[in-house]
Amino acid sequence: DAGITQSPRHKVTETGTPVTLRCHQTENHRYMYWYRQDPGHGLRLLPYSYGVKDTDKGEVSDGYSVSRSKTEDFLLTLESATSSQTSVYFCAISDDRELLGDEQFFGPGTRLTVL
Amino acid sequence: DQQVKQNSPSLSVQEGRISILNCDYTNSMFDYFLWYKKYPAEGPTFLISISSIKDKNEDGRFTVFLNKSAKHLSLHIVPSQPGDSAVYFCAASDFINTGTASKLTFGTGTRLQVTL
Repeated sequence: DAGITQSPRHKVTETGTPVTLRCHQTENHRYMYWYRQDPGHGLRLLPYSYGVKDTDKGEVSDGYSVSRSKTEDFLLTLESATSSQTSVYFCAISDDRELLGDEQFFGPGTRLTVL
Repeated sequence: DQQVKQNSPSLSVQEGRISILNCDYTNSMFDYFLWYKKYPAEGPTFLISISSIKDKNEDGRFTVFLNKSAKHLSLHIVPSQPGDSAVYFCAASDFINTGTASKLTFGTGTRLQVTL
């Protein structure tokens, strides 16, 4: 299994509070992604990183920000959590297509509940 | 607009029989397709993939077929086993312009139940 951990694994918070989720990899892969999984929507891409300090928007970006100060760590911040952000969040990693193809490796997920 | 669609939310198949999971896409720029399997409380795990220049890829009990003209792919599992019971996601890939990686667009998933 790819070395990807996510913390916390579960989080309950209140509307309006900031929340930060952390993803840590030991694979030295260049690309890191955040997804959210919701019933009826599958997995939707949130902001992602294509290198240290390099990030871009995904399919869903409103209310989310990310930061990557070193290769192994990727943070997702909900600056003011809302109930619509209750979801399961997955981190994924990948490397250059020429090296590993298009496969992305996923972490175990964080279940976030916003009350 | 859903670019990758899995129109069957669930499928039930008897052990030993064939499971066929379907996926349709709309974006002709997708050049690579993947299937992921997901158990409850775990992250998705990669199962099998196919390049857009091929029409079939086989790996053990799993075969993926791609029909580019119909923008349709399917995953065949033969024979189905109880351990195959999971949610299966179809994903399609295209380039991220900012580098040499790809961006995956996922379908909504099909829950497969393999019964004894």
